[in-house]
Amino acid sequence: KAGVTQTPRYLIKTRGQQVTLSCSPISGHRSVSWYQQTPGQGLQFLFEYFSETQRNKGNFPGRFSGRQFSNSRSEMNVSTLELGDSALYLCASSLAPGQRSQGYTFGSGTRLTVV
Amino acid sequence: GEDVEQSLFLSVREGDSSVINCTYTDSSSTYLYWYKQEPGAGLQLLTYIFSNMDMKQDQRLTVLLNKKDKHLSLRIADTQTGDSAIYFCAERLQFYFGTGTSLTVIP
Repeated sequence: KAGVTQTPRYLIKTRGQQVTLSCSPISGHRSVSWYQQTPGQGLQFLFEYFSETQRNKGNFPGRFSGRQFSNSRSEMNVSTLELGDSALYLCASSLAPGQRSQGYTFGSGTRLTVV
Repeated sequence: GEDVEQSLFLSVREGDSSVINCTYTDSSSTYLYWYKQEPGAGLQLLTYIFSNMDMKQDQRLTVLLNKKDKHLSLRIADTQTGDSAIYFCAERLQFYFGTGTSLTVIP
């Protein structure tokens, strides 16, 4: 079956702009989580969605937001981009938040560069 | 806040064993995970251990958990060049990941 699909793979934006990233989970998976990966900070949890509801949120400013649609696809949005937002954004899906023994399946990520 | 720590780099010779260590802070974690990230790819779940276990073996992988010291380790036996990657431990419902250990296998 198809894996977790993230689009686009690469993105270059200018400071002050906004950006929307998309994630399509594995078919049947209803939980989607987003992470920011940078060389200095490692992997930082952004938020988790399940059944179109945000279940958990990490310590990121309000410029970072997300949503999940009825087909479980998720988008994350970053407004007023800053240079420090340059990172690899990873999406992960699982059957449900409670399916902890199965871990997450990650997408290949969207590489965002802010100039 | 939560803190998951790993050493940044590890270099081993092909055929030797690799041991990657991780310390975590949340004693309520029920599962602890190890993920592998190859260049240009997302993370791949390697294995996990339930918190009531001390050890779990899965082919070349052995996970050891010391709950008292909040220490987790991943041992890779007979390390191969294909094992070169970044390895992450994760805890607390996978909200918190370590900084990752970059493993280099020398032929």
